[in-house]
Amino acid sequence: EVQLVESGGGLVQPGGSLRLSCSASGFTFSGYPIHWVRQAPGKGLDYVSDISTGGVYTNYADSVKGRFTISRDDSKSTVDLQMSSLRSEDTALYYCVIGIHSSYGFDIWGQGTMVTVSS
Amino acid sequence: QSALTQPASVSGSPGQSITISCTGISSDVVNYNLVSWYQQHPGRAPKLMISEVNKRPSGVSPRFSGSKSVNTASLTISGLQTEDEADYYCCSYGVTRAYVFGTGTKVTVL
Repeated sequence: EVQLVESGGGLVQPGGSLRLSCSASGFTFSGYPIHWVRQAPGKGLDYVSDISTGGVYTNYADSVKGRFTISRDDSKSTVDLQMSSLRSEDTALYYCVIGIHSSYGFDIWGQGTMVTVSS
Repeated sequence: QSALTQPASVSGSPGQSITISCTGISSDVVNYNLVSWYQQHPGRAPKLMISEVNKRPSGVSPRFSGSKSVNTASLTISGLQTEDEADYYCCSYGVTRAYVFGTGTKVTVL
């Protein structure tokens, strides 16, 4: 079974840092780009970042550029999202997502990990 | 880059058809046939309903269909059922941010 499991969320003060991790199983991890999508409480979906196969290319939303860093370890089938200089507007449920059967559609979603930025 | 624009809400009676629009700036929807649609029930992760404008993943009901015209993509739900009541989001592959989501539409079955 294809599965994504996020971890690392929690409560952090403004300006602080947090590292999210996504652990994958059930498919050939190295063959797929991995994406992060977030959803603030009661709000819509917001694209955050992605990393290509081999980690060659990375992409970030303007709102997180320079503060978040995405990386992958194909030997461990994990993707990390290092978040720094966190702001209250970064408070959200962070999903790890991939497109297994669709190149440009996200058909596998994790359960999400909640990040709360508050003093 | 701003989110794609969707109506805040759309409603219909059981058995009716409804259409949700998704309007984007030119670099997103117009130049790429890479629009996807997601259904999200409360407390659940989103579910892919349509990819690449009109491709339906395995297991998705044929009552869901997608289309695109100029700078507007659309999701049509035919034969509306109570379980279709959910939030729906479009998403497009664009140049500047790779992917951008729509503002979301709440579908209510009357």
